[in-house]
Amino acid sequence: DTEVTQTPKHLVMGMTNKKSLKCEQHMGHRAMYWYKQKAKKPPELMFVYSYEKLSINESVPSRFSPECPNSSLLNLHLHALQPEDSALYLCASSTRRGQGHEQYFGPGTRLTVT
Amino acid sequence: DQQVKQNSPSLSVQEGRISILNCDYTNSMFDYFLWYKKYPAEGPTFLISISSIKDKNEDGRFTVFLNKSAKHLSLHIVPSQPGDSAVYFCAASANDYKLSFGAGTTVTVRA
Repeated sequence: DTEVTQTPKHLVMGMTNKKSLKCEQHMGHRAMYWYKQKAKKPPELMFVYSYEKLSINESVPSRFSPECPNSSLLNLHLHALQPEDSALYLCASSTRRGQGHEQYFGPGTRLTVT
Repeated sequence: DQQVKQNSPSLSVQEGRISILNCDYTNSMFDYFLWYKKYPAEGPTFLISISSIKDKNEDGRFTVFLNKSAKHLSLHIVPSQPGDSAVYFCAASANDYKLSFGAGTTVTVRA
């Protein structure tokens, strides 16, 4: 099973709202990732968690706050977003951080900020 | 700075024929390469990968070729099927967490 699940599938939020995106995998992977993808562009890495600890933050604004409650779950908390943050947010996981271990992506959450 | 380049934004191929997708990279530290397929409004799906110690990897209809001296890799799909119509991303890593993606090539398989 190489499934990564994400909820919700679609999310519309105002600039003053607080919402959360959720990601789950049961493959025993110890590295989990958040990406942002704009239309017709490749995915852009936002955060990496390795063994439930945040190991990489790609200079993401603080209005995005990741959380890894356990080895299977990854959340992305959203607050005071801007319309330009509208995008497809992808979660991925791999057996561990590092080379030679493919990242498996979830279906994404389509976020619209109004 | 785009370290992974897919210079063909689109490719149209007839069903049953070969699709060849190309990818070039500039970072000589890259030692692992992957291809992903993406349908609209879905996450990328891992297709096939290759380590820099190899020059070819095959999985069913998909074969990836790596030419390290030219810093070039290609994905061959034989035979092409209508379900192969999607965006294909080339990605590379340098013994690290980070995948550097190309801009993608949109493949359309004509019946």
